[in-house]
Amino acid sequence: AQTVTQSQPEMSVQEAETVTLSCTYDTSESDYYLFWYKQPPSRQMILVIRQEAYKQQNATENRFSVNFQKAAKSFSLKISDSQLGDAAMYFCAYRSEKGAGSYQLTFGKGTKLSVIP
Amino acid sequence: NAGVTQTPKFRILKIGQSMTLQCAQDMNHNYMYWYRQDPGMGLKLIYYSVGAGITDKGEVPNGYNVSRSTTEDFPLRLELAAPSQTSVYFCASSYRLKNTNQPQHFGDGTRLSIL
Repeated sequence: AQTVTQSQPEMSVQEAETVTLSCTYDTSESDYYLFWYKQPPSRQMILVIRQEAYKQQNATENRFSVNFQKAAKSFSLKISDSQLGDAAMYFCAYRSEKGAGSYQLTFGKGTKLSVIP
Repeated sequence: NAGVTQTPKFRILKIGQSMTLQCAQDMNHNYMYWYRQDPGMGLKLIYYSVGAGITDKGEVPNGYNVSRSTTEDFPLRLELAAPSQTSVYFCASSYRLKNTNQPQHFGDGTRLSIL
């Protein structure tokens, strides 16, 4: 079974600065998908960014980008120009491409990000 | 578009009571899911459905039942509530997932306490 590890329970960043959240995963599969979800205090789960394992190019979405290192099984999220609205729990998630695991997102335990004005 | 709608938002149950958590989506998604989120943890899959009339177990199905009579609705049933089922429940939906990077779209969650 796949596992997802987020080693930083909490992080903080000054407004307008850059922060990187870490995520590692364990899998024997070669094809899979990775996601970062944001959960603000409102509890809503919001997709931030996604990455296909077969793509070498790192995904970017405005101020959000990832550093995907397939050999190291690492998928970190970089938030540039941090804003107060970025304060939330951030979850890294893995999904298989094939089989029963392709229906399931496997989540890490999350990193709580605080943004300091 | 409302997206994924869950009701109720909060509920307190007594041990042994039963209830149904409702979930509806208006995005014409084939797939629907139920997850639970325990304190300090990520979400874990309870059940999922790939279409009307088809459901399957996820990682933590014990104590729950589901049905999918329509594309839009995917209710989750707790028959005999137990304190271990105290959690936040999320419903999600998506288009067909295989060989795509389609994300799952989540509802706002139902906070359920069993006392």
